[in-house]
Amino acid sequence: NAGVIQTPRHKVTGKGQEATLWCEPISGHSAVFWYRQTIVQGLEFLTYFRNQAPIDDSGMPKERFSAQMPNQSHSTLKIQSTQPQDSAVYLCASSLAGNTLYFGEGSRLIVV
Amino acid sequence: GQQVQQSPASLVLQEGENAELQCNFSSTATQLQWFYQRPGGSLVSLLYNPSGTKHTGRLTSTTVTKERRSSLHISSSQITDSGTYFCAMEPDYGNEKITFGAGTKLTIKP
Repeated sequence: NAGVIQTPRHKVTGKGQEATLWCEPISGHSAVFWYRQTIVQGLEFLTYFRNQAPIDDSGMPKERFSAQMPNQSHSTLKIQSTQPQDSAVYLCASSLAGNTLYFGEGSRLIVV
Repeated sequence: GQQVQQSPASLVLQEGENAELQCNFSSTATQLQWFYQRPGGSLVSLLYNPSGTKHTGRLTSTTVTKERRSSLHISSSQITDSGTYFCAMEPDYGNEKITFGAGTKLTIKP
């Protein structure tokens, strides 16, 4: 069991460019969550999928953020026209229904 | 939306002392978890405890669901326990959205 895998671990992007973050959940887990962590805001819920279907994206900044889960083995978080305030650690987690949440190591995004 | 409040925000103890961390949440929870994060590290699940008392090693968590609170007790603290502890809850009204508290930063001094 390799755990939740996130790539890239670090990404530096210029303001206005696009950033795509990848997450491979633990095999067999039915739920995938995305969170964003900053010192100021703490851990913010972004969105989650159950059995690949988007269930709740209430935490997503609507205009530039999008998330997909095209198959059970990976999910992507895409940020268009990145802004400095998007700089954060983006965390992906997976779980079985109603069970412990397992986090990946995170993707640190820096927008310059 | 649901809210999770943790206290204290920070705690400094001497090695060997016991730590008591508190978590209060705004709605009844079907899921309550405690996580640990070392600076620069990822979140590691410590205990999954939606109700009652659970132990693992030097950690004890007690969740009183109807009072919407949970605690994490760390006995005989060690320097390596230093880090931030988060409480996270999933409400029981059908939405699986898991909300985190702001964390308690624990520093253990030699």
